[in-house]
Amino acid sequence: DADVTQTPRNRITKTGKRIMLECSQTKGHDRMYWYRQDPGLGLRLIYYSFDVKDINKGEISDGYSVSRQAQAKFSLSLESAIPNQTALYFCATHAGTSGSLVWNEQFFGPGTRLTVL
Amino acid sequence: AQSVTQPDIHITVSEGASLELRCNYSYGATPYLFWYVQSPGQGLQLLLKYFSGDTLVQGIKGFEAEFKRSQSSFNLRKPSVHWSDAAEYFCAVGARGNTGKLIFGQGTTLQVKP
Repeated sequence: DADVTQTPRNRITKTGKRIMLECSQTKGHDRMYWYRQDPGLGLRLIYYSFDVKDINKGEISDGYSVSRQAQAKFSLSLESAIPNQTALYFCATHAGTSGSLVWNEQFFGPGTRLTVL
Repeated sequence: AQSVTQPDIHITVSEGASLELRCNYSYGATPYLFWYVQSPGQGLQLLLKYFSGDTLVQGIKGFEAEFKRSQSSFNLRKPSVHWSDAAEYFCAVGARGNTGKLIFGQGTTLQVKP
């Protein structure tokens, strides 16, 4: 079984709809991240969480919200989807919590392809 | 502001040929640098990373990268490309503040010709 799973893998929705993307991990990591990938722009950080009670905005958090329901689960919501939120969304985790360990490998889920019409 | 630039959006090489993917970064201090690969339909996987020490780092799948401070570069190389190397490659730098946040480049798509 995959260590980092994302559901759904693909989603088509309409402008104005509320959407939730879910991420689960079995690696026991405290730190979790949500990125979006757009062609020509690479990956950009939306939100990140260091533990259940520590959630932080990334560089492009407007229009998104998150919930860290447990150490293993980190959900991303689009309260009112708009077409420019059409993208590939990745969840990632890593174990490092201090010093140089924060630069340990991030483990990525397979991605959710979201299309907003 | 920190940034990462991958000048080549798309590269095509023949199978068996050598490969070099370019990466330039902007960062005031010694950076933490990474190369990730994204195969079609999959998430990203770490190829290699540089923190300090030897400027030539070895990674998985036969890849290596060289850190050149004078050129603010961290180019990825492979002596002989295999068809399975076709993927998108991302260079990234660790953001200031020791938070574990990564700043990614735009990505380079590698196509391998038979």
